[in-house]
Amino acid sequence: DAKTTQPNSMESNEEEPVHLPCNHSTISGTDYIHWYRQLPSQGPEYVIHGLTSNVNNRMASLAIAEDRKSSTLILHRATLRDAAVYYCILSLVYNQGGKLIFGQGTELSVKP
Amino acid sequence: GAVVSQHPSWVICKSGTSVKIECRSLDFQATTMFWYRQFPKQSLMLMATSNEGSKATYEQGVEKDKFLINHASLTLSTLTVTSAHPEDSSFYICSARSRGRGSYEQYFGPGTRLTVT
Repeated sequence: DAKTTQPNSMESNEEEPVHLPCNHSTISGTDYIHWYRQLPSQGPEYVIHGLTSNVNNRMASLAIAEDRKSSTLILHRATLRDAAVYYCILSLVYNQGGKLIFGQGTELSVKP
Repeated sequence: GAVVSQHPSWVICKSGTSVKIECRSLDFQATTMFWYRQFPKQSLMLMATSNEGSKATYEQGVEKDKFLINHASLTLSTLTVTSAHPEDSSFYICSARSRGRGSYEQYFGPGTRLTVT
């Protein structure tokens, strides 16, 4: 499985944008880029996914580099409820039912 | 949105006993369910992939005779930790992929905290 590299932790101020980077230099052409987040003592929550083009949804935006070797999750206005561990994951959707292999993730803290 | 529940949310058991954890998809049919475990301050580790009506596929290093997985219906998968020991104490999380939604999302349950004394 292709690996991802994320910073261990990041800090943000409330109401400011947050850019969470992810490197995936060994990504293959059919790997999708997924982002999930996990609040303390809860199961992970889907945030966004993409393949080649930038994606937007109500939670966040995903910017994918042209060579697909990196991506950035963008939270447009961080709130205290966004404090969580954010995981960037690669997966083949149709490989073994699209299993996800979690890395260490980035722990995001949001200051009021 | 799709909801996955787990029961129980926490359980304490004595060493040597078995514990069953249920994972249910409440408003969709799950062709595939996944089981993870998570130790404190660590990431999720995939234990097995379970498809409805067939045997689970276990990840390398996970003992299939110790962690019994049954996916008897499109809405229910169970994980049984047999002869539990203190080192099995962990946070167990299931997730499910839906059939027919064309979705790449996995929906995660809230987790079950197992403590073996």
